[in-house]
Amino acid sequence: EAQVTQNPRYLITVTGKKLTVTCSQNMNHEYMSWYRQDPGLGLRQIYYSMNVEVTDKGDVPEGYKVSRKEKRNFPLILESPSPNQTSLYFCASSLMRDTDTQYFGPGTRLTVL
Amino acid sequence: AQSVAQPEDQVNVAEGNPLTVKCTYSVSGNPYLFWYVQYPNRGLQFLLKYITGDNLVKGSYGFEAEFNKSQTSFHLKKPSALVSDSALYFCAVRDKFKAAGNKLTFGGGTRVLVKP
Repeated sequence: EAQVTQNPRYLITVTGKKLTVTCSQNMNHEYMSWYRQDPGLGLRQIYYSMNVEVTDKGDVPEGYKVSRKEKRNFPLILESPSPNQTSLYFCASSLMRDTDTQYFGPGTRLTVL
Repeated sequence: AQSVAQPEDQVNVAEGNPLTVKCTYSVSGNPYLFWYVQYPNRGLQFLLKYITGDNLVKGSYGFEAEFNKSQTSFHLKKPSALVSDSALYFCAVRDKFKAAGNKLTFGGGTRVLVKP
């Protein structure tokens, strides 16, 4: 089944404790992206990647890092999480044409205490 | 810069009645427009998109949307709502000539509640 998977689905952590949220897709998509969803704000892009070793900032990149060492994986790293990063995070992937649909993972709900 | 507005935080409709979720957009070029739905504790599911051609786009689960260039709108519609349509709906836009990294810009979402 074609899908985007994320782990963990739920995470409660404390301020300053480094964490990684994994994202993997099995559709051979070049493009991958991370979004955060906050009430009333919709989804905002954090980082995106257009291919292996090619990443760039989205609209809200502060406090986040990403890497793209393999085509299928695009982990999101929070080196020193803070409470304002409490949010629902989504990974998405698509082919590279701008008409292509982005497919989303199930989401990771992160709480930073 | 591209932007999307969903003017209604919530839409309430009785089962069997028509459902409309409003969306207006702003882009500097030509838009690609998308609708997604989010069910509780689930990711976003793609419903439909407008790329070019016929202004009326048909999608999944009986939904359709009409692209109106003069009003810069892309309202989502369903002729007869079901209780199972209760969910959070997002409109998104991509500027055809500009969107860096294929970025989608989302509206704030509209919660739809269909009552039996």
